[in-house]
Amino acid sequence: NAGVMQNPRHLVRRRGQEARLRCSPMKGHSHVYWYRQLPEEGLKFMVYLQKENIIDESGMPKERFSAEFPKEGPSILRIQQVVRGDSAAYFCASSPPSGGRRTDTQYFGPGTRLTVL
Amino acid sequence: AQTVTQSQPEMSVQEAETVTLSCTYDTSENNYYLFWYKQPPSRQMILVIRQEAYKQQNATENRFSVNFQKAAKSFSLKISDSQLGDTAMYFCALRNTGNQFYFGTGTSLTVIP
Repeated sequence: NAGVMQNPRHLVRRRGQEARLRCSPMKGHSHVYWYRQLPEEGLKFMVYLQKENIIDESGMPKERFSAEFPKEGPSILRIQQVVRGDSAAYFCASSPPSGGRRTDTQYFGPGTRLTVL
Repeated sequence: AQTVTQSQPEMSVQEAETVTLSCTYDTSENNYYLFWYKQPPSRQMILVIRQEAYKQQNATENRFSVNFQKAAKSFSLKISDSQLGDTAMYFCALRNTGNQFYFGTGTSLTVIP
């Protein structure tokens, strides 16, 4: 069972461009989470999605950032009109369906390091 | 609101020795989970150990164990027989009933040969 996959691993964008980060959860997992890690800091929660639904986006900036987890295909974190402050590592995590119990373990991908020039 | 605090930015330990990483947290919830994650230079986050708040018994995973003090809201990680491969950033995390994870700022652990 392959782990959580993220691509690209490294992404360089110029200010004003768009960044698209992809996350394929582990097989059988229907919950996806996105985190941002700034240098020398811990992970900050951004958004929590289930298939075709955004459950909690309280950690995501209101502008320029969006996320989706379609019925088919990977979850996408999209950053429009990137600025230098968006430079960070973005981690995706997945967890299995809760089935009435709370999911308690997240499995992280290797992250995407975004650099904005 | 939930907060997780790791007050040790950096620590080091001699190979084969034991080291304890501290973590305190704050939450108003009664049901929650606590985790320690390891982030090696590859930057991938790896689950080390987890603890259910309703369980009094401290979790253990091979050389890793926790000291969970619920009343004090403390959740320290003990690494026994430290190995060079344990060198990494270690993050303490809390998961609340809303399925949100809150992470501390991390402790950078270096195992010295």
